[in-house]
Amino acid sequence: QKEVEQNSGPLSVPEGAIASLNCTYSDRGSQSFFWYRQYSGKSPELIMSIYSNGDKEDGRFTAQLNKASQYVSLLIRDSQPSDSATYLCADRNNAGNMLTFGGGTRLMVKP
Amino acid sequence: NAGVTQTPKFQVLKTGQSMTLQCAQDMNHNSMYWYRQDPGMGLRLIYYSASEGTTDKGEVPNGYNVSRLNKREFSLRLESAAPSQTSVYFCASSDSYNSPLHFGNGTRLTVT
Repeated sequence: QKEVEQNSGPLSVPEGAIASLNCTYSDRGSQSFFWYRQYSGKSPELIMSIYSNGDKEDGRFTAQLNKASQYVSLLIRDSQPSDSATYLCADRNNAGNMLTFGGGTRLMVKP
Repeated sequence: NAGVTQTPKFQVLKTGQSMTLQCAQDMNHNSMYWYRQDPGMGLRLIYYSASEGTTDKGEVPNGYNVSRLNKREFSLRLESAAPSQTSVYFCASSDSYNSPLHFGNGTRLTVT
């Protein structure tokens, strides 16, 4: 059974700091990876997708993928209180027909 | 632009009752999914439909059935609800291989 693992947190960072969220996955065949943000009582919303080894930047967010070590990370620069949420990591299987989610990391950004 | 629409938003059932959760998307996506989310368990896939006319089991299909009515609509049915099915249910859709999922707003189901 393929797994996606995340530290449940909470991860607490001061406003303006860099928040680093990590995720490991078990399926070496996984080809695409996604980070979702979920506010309490709301549905997940896509922040980043990454398909190749290396870094991908979008505004204050940077996703990093290392397929050899089977981990994906998300960096949030200049963290804001509005970034406080649960962040879900997901990978899509090699056949492309299923997305498996980690349990999520709760991030708290303190003013 | 509605995206993925789920109904109802909230539902309370008694053990043994049946109900159908409705989902529709207006993005012309091929694939649709049903997930459940429980505290500390993350999102778990119940069933998915890779394309119109096909459905497949996910990680936790027991106690559920699905119907892909057409390209837009994918319903989830609980034939005999159990307290263990108390959860938040999310419908999602995606365009193609490697595409991310777009989620509906969820249905909060309580089975007493």
